[in-house]
Amino acid sequence: AQKITQTQPGMFVQEKEAVTLDCTYDTSDQSYGLFWYKQPSSGEMIFLIYQGSYDEQNATEGRYSLNFQKARKSANLVISASQLGDSAMYFCAMRTGGFKTIFGAGTRLFVKA
Amino acid sequence: SAVISQKPSRDICQRGTSLTIQCQVDSQVTMMFWYRQQPGQSLTLIATANQGSEATYESGFVIDKFPISRPNLTFSTLTVSNMSPEDSSIYLCSVEARGGGPNEQYFGPGTRLTVT
Repeated sequence: AQKITQTQPGMFVQEKEAVTLDCTYDTSDQSYGLFWYKQPSSGEMIFLIYQGSYDEQNATEGRYSLNFQKARKSANLVISASQLGDSAMYFCAMRTGGFKTIFGAGTRLFVKA
Repeated sequence: SAVISQKPSRDICQRGTSLTIQCQVDSQVTMMFWYRQQPGQSLTLIATANQGSEATYESGFVIDKFPISRPNLTFSTLTVSNMSPEDSSIYLCSVEARGGGPNEQYFGPGTRLTVT
């Protein structure tokens, strides 16, 4: 069965510091994609970063990087130099063959000034 | 990329009534998805809608409750029928850009539905 697990319901980080949001996944498929989305209070889903299962390098997009450890089935999001505008819900997601994407429970990030 | 709009952005409805949510995309897309996000919860896929075929519903969702139309490659509607307070959620339309890679999935701004 496909599953995404985010074990941190809430996280606090000081402005300008780095924070890691945890995500583990379970799938028997060899080919899959892992995503992180940000959802501010407005409700929109903002795509942040993507990692393919065959990608050897960890994905990076500006201040976002994805720490991909395939053997451990983890895909943690690292946000460097946190900003107040980073306060939001963050969802880890996975897509396997068939184009269906499943989402984790989410982590609410609070950035403190 | 794809720009997605949804109408209405929010609505307050009485139980027993129905609401149709529209999703418009600025480009032709193959696959469109409808998600539900109940308060404080994650996203759950309701159904996948391909143009010219019946929507494929996920376990726990049925066509009588959530009928979907997909008349062309840029538009879809989701109807929430015979609503109850448990249907209060954000409903999100999502598309996979035509010819795009596995990371090319975009979301609309969502429709916030409150059922009283």
